[in-house]
Amino acid sequence: GAGVSQSPRYKVAKRGQDVALRCDPISGHVSLFWYQQALGQGPEFLTYFQNEAQLDKSGLPSDRFFAERPEGSVSTLKIQRTQQEDSAVYLCASSLRGNNEQFFGPGTRLTVL
Amino acid sequence: GQNIDQPTEMTATEGAIVQINCTYQTSGFNGLFWYQQHAGEAPTFLSYNVLDGLEEKGRFSSFLSRSKGYSYLLLKELQMKDSASYLCAVSGVDSSYKLIFGSGTRLLVRP
Repeated sequence: GAGVSQSPRYKVAKRGQDVALRCDPISGHVSLFWYQQALGQGPEFLTYFQNEAQLDKSGLPSDRFFAERPEGSVSTLKIQRTQQEDSAVYLCASSLRGNNEQFFGPGTRLTVL
Repeated sequence: GQNIDQPTEMTATEGAIVQINCTYQTSGFNGLFWYQQHAGEAPTFLSYNVLDGLEEKGRFSSFLSRSKGYSYLLLKELQMKDSASYLCAVSGVDSSYKLIFGSGTRLLVRP
């Protein structure tokens, strides 16, 4: 069955470049979450959408990070002027509604050189 | 700040039972999730507890005590494929549906 998909799976960027990471949630899932996972750590929350509304962006580390979900389905996480500390796996998750189990995508591994 | 603690690493023998503990102190609580994550893969859902007590699902069981801020994941009849990281996560922090994760427990199952 169709799960959460993310693209690209791997991204190498030079410091200072802008990147865009895409997430396709499970069809019909209202809630969408972005997390950042450093090696050997648990995922850390970045931002949360309910349909097209961004209800919580408290985890975005700086104003270089921006997320959108304009039609309440596909979401894009954009990082401007990437820095080495942005290197991590970026996970997207969706759930049917707020407090149901979250289904995670395979992640995008971002490496900033 | 939010605090979710779990052991960093555990080792167990194939066929045995292992218990992975998780303690939490958070500003808000609306349930506790356990996820399994194999290296290089996405976390996959194992269990959800919102009320006190034990939830059993096949070889996996999860327990919650809200008054103690404590949960555990019990894995029975361990198999080699159970070698993975196990993530404890709390929902409802600051009245949000976001999950706040612990750092994960890396479980190694030996033959």
